[in-house]
Amino acid sequence: TQLLEQSPQFLSIQEGENLTVYCNSSSVFSSLQWYRQEPGEGPVLLVTVVTGGEVKKLKRLTFQFGDARKDSSLHITAAQPGDTGLYLCAGGSGNQFYFGTGTSLTVIP
Amino acid sequence: DAGITQSPRHKVTETGTPVTLRCHQTENHRYMYWYRQDPGHGLRLIHYSYGVKDTDKGEVSDGYSVSRSKTEDFLLTLESATSSQTSVYFCAITRGRGTDTQYFGPGTRLTVL
Repeated sequence: TQLLEQSPQFLSIQEGENLTVYCNSSSVFSSLQWYRQEPGEGPVLLVTVVTGGEVKKLKRLTFQFGDARKDSSLHITAAQPGDTGLYLCAGGSGNQFYFGTGTSLTVIP
Repeated sequence: DAGITQSPRHKVTETGTPVTLRCHQTENHRYMYWYRQDPGHGLRLIHYSYGVKDTDKGEVSDGYSVSRSKTEDFLLTLESATSSQTSVYFCAITRGRGTDTQYFGPGTRLTVL
């Protein structure tokens, strides 16, 4: 089992604050994906990073893949209530994806 | 949205009964996956398929079987349901593997009494 650990597990912040979510593993992955999931729905892909050290920006979201391709972070600037949801990282290896335990984010207006 | 449907969306059943969940796609994608999602565990892979009649086990395959007789359909069967199989089940598809985007279905909430 290739374990992906996310931290923090729960996060509650005020609108306008910044936050960072971490995804760590002892395994190397060919790619690292971040998903966002809303209650009652399936996860939706936010970004895929494939190169060690890669940084991708998606509006207020910044994603980074560690140099050794074992870890990743998601940084949100000026969080908004619409950012509320469960954030999941997933590592790709061969035919499979291994998911992290998730970070539940609540942004309070 | 990717054309993925799951049926049923909700099911309540009793311990010991067989249950079959269906995943249907209209994208002609090669890879299909079944996951279960439980609090504190994220998504865990049960089985996946890399083509018609080609399947392999995932992390939590015990008590589950799958079949794929057509590209568009991937069935998950709980041969004798147990309370520990109460969960939300998600189907996902990808065109390829590894770096490809996974598209998820809406999920099936299964309760085993």
